[in-house]
Amino acid sequence: DGGITQSPKYLFRKEGQNVTLSCEQNLNHDAMYWYRQDPGQGLRLIYYSQIVNDFQKGDIAEGYSVSREKKESFPLTVTSAQKNPTAFYLCASSKQVNQPQHFGDGTRLSIL
Amino acid sequence: GIQVEQSPPDLILQEGANSTLRCNFSDSVNNLQWFHQNPWGQLINLFYIPSGTKQNGRLSATTVATERYSLLYISSSQTTDSGVYFCAVEQNYQLIWGAGTKLIIKP
Repeated sequence: DGGITQSPKYLFRKEGQNVTLSCEQNLNHDAMYWYRQDPGQGLRLIYYSQIVNDFQKGDIAEGYSVSREKKESFPLTVTSAQKNPTAFYLCASSKQVNQPQHFGDGTRLSIL
Repeated sequence: GIQVEQSPPDLILQEGANSTLRCNFSDSVNNLQWFHQNPWGQLINLFYIPSGTKQNGRLSATTVATERYSLLYISSSQTTDSGVYFCAVEQNYQLIWGAGTKLIIKP
């Protein structure tokens, strides 16, 4: 089945540790996105990528990094510089930017 | 930047009732999408509706771009409709999200 797969579903991070969240899509979409959602709030854009080997910062990119080496993969690294990383992280993709976005099931990140 | 406001913030209804959710936005946008987030966090794209009216089963949406608002109608509510409904508007390749309407449907 075509879709977006995020892993792991739950992730725990120690202080000072970098962690990487996986996002894979088999929809042949060019554009991919990472969002952060805090309890009771809407989503905020961290990074997006319109095409392979290209990505742009969103509203809250500080403390995060991404790569887009393959069309189907857009991993997100939460670095130790992100002081409040506890949140629900959602990955999305669309055929192109300005097209409907479709979401994975998310990763819940917590601090130990 | 653009502001997206959704109302009401919370809505509790009995099964079978109808409801209207509203989304106001403060500037011109390229498009608007409605999403449903279920209690497990899964986000489902309901409508991609920059203008006009669309219907999908018991759900329909209308966007009046010139007046900068969109409405989501849910008819004959079911308990599975519970969750948070978000509207998001696109400007400069980015989706800007409202804070959502939390809908609870009681059996």
